[in-house]
This record gives sequence, C-alpha cells and structure tokens, in this order.
Amino acid sequence: EAGVTQFPSHSVIEKGQTVTLRCDPISGHDNLYWYRRVMGKEIKFLLHFVKESKQDESGMPNNRFLAERTGGTYSTLKVQPAELEDSGVYFCASSPLAGGSSTDTQYFGPGTRLTVL
Amino acid sequence: LAKTTQPISMDSYEGQEVNITCSHNNIATNDYITWYQQFPSQGPRFIIQGYKTKVTNEVASLFIPADRKSSTLSLPRVSLSDTAVYYCLVGPFEQAGTALIFGKGTTLSVSS
Repeated sequence: EAGVTQFPSHSVIEKGQTVTLRCDPISGHDNLYWYRRVMGKEIKFLLHFVKESKQDESGMPNNRFLAERTGGTYSTLKVQPAELEDSGVYFCASSPLAGGSSTDTQYFGPGTRLTVL
Repeated sequence: LAKTTQPISMDSYEGQEVNITCSHNNIATNDYITWYQQFPSQGPRFIIQGYKTKVTNEVASLFIPADRKSSTLSLPRVSLSDTAVYYCLVGPFEQAGTALIFGKGTTLSVSS
C-alpha cells in the first residue's frame, strides 16, 4: 500500500512569490491534515479535512495560506504571497477513521521543505 | 490536550534497552498516549499507543502506571537505525480529527 506522498520535496522561492504544495493521502483515507515545522520550532497543526470539507483550520497562520481538497482526494496548500517566515517543512498526514471504534492513527508524508529567500 | 514533558535527549549504545519516560500530569479520562518516531528528512511515524497498563508490538513496549500521569516507551536492544526523535503525545485519539500537538521530543542517539 502506498503511503502519503508529498510534492515537491523541496521548493525554493523568493519572497512575494506563490507556491503550491501537494499532498496525496493514503487511498481511502477520509481525514487529511496539514502540519508545519518552522525553523527551530515544534511541529504545529495547520488544518484538518474530512473528505473535501474543512473541519478545523484553527492552525492556519493567516490568509496568505489557502488549502483545498477538491473531490476529497489530494489536497493542495497554497502560500500567496510567500514571506520569509513561511520557510519550514510542511507535513501532510492522513487517517482512515471517519467514525468507528478504533483510535485514530495519523500517517505522515515525508514533508515538503519550503525555503523563502 | 494534556501537556507532556520528556527528556530533550538520550544517548545509548547498540544492543542496550532504552526507556524514555514522558510525564502527562493533566491527562484526561478519555485521553490516549501515543508515541511517534521521526527520522531526519522524514515525517513522524506512529509506533505505539496505549490507554493503560502495558502494550507491546514488534517495535516497542509502552508501560502506563495506574494513575496514567506518566508513561514509558521501551525500545529493546536498540540499533544504530533507532537514532531518531521520539515524541510522546496525549489526546482523545479515539476521535477522528484530533490535531496532534508535538513537543520538542526526545532525541535518541545510538552509537556503536
């Protein structure tokens, strides 16, 4: 079974440019999460989708960040315009649970390293 | 979600058993304890989860005392490849959609 994949693995852009990160969750996983780690800090939650709906976007830092999950499959996270402080590693995770008796285990992708110059 | 406290780093030699203890004094009744492992340039990877007593899988064991205010991740006979950051997380993981709150984790360095 393929794991969570993310593209690109590394992106280097200049301040003010736009970048779009993509996450392909494990097939059949309804829950999709975005997290990020900025330099020297802990991994922080950004938002959570259930299928195509945003369930919790309390961690999104500001309106320069836009996440979508059209069709409930892959998700994109767009940063526009990018600022220096957006540099970090962006992780995507997915989990299969959408109700049920098992506990929720999140499976993470390898991350996208974003460098804003 | 309950705050967790764990050592910042630990060093070990190959073949030793490593125990990493995590404190979570404010754990709630419906909280589970979960440990993730993260290698450099990779995302965190789930390794074990428990609610009370002891849980064992092919990777590790998790010991949880009766008061559940702490837990210990035990890695038997570590190898160089166990060098990683280990995160202890506590939350209502029976519910889908619980945002994981990561602390600094414990950096385990295994040497030969």
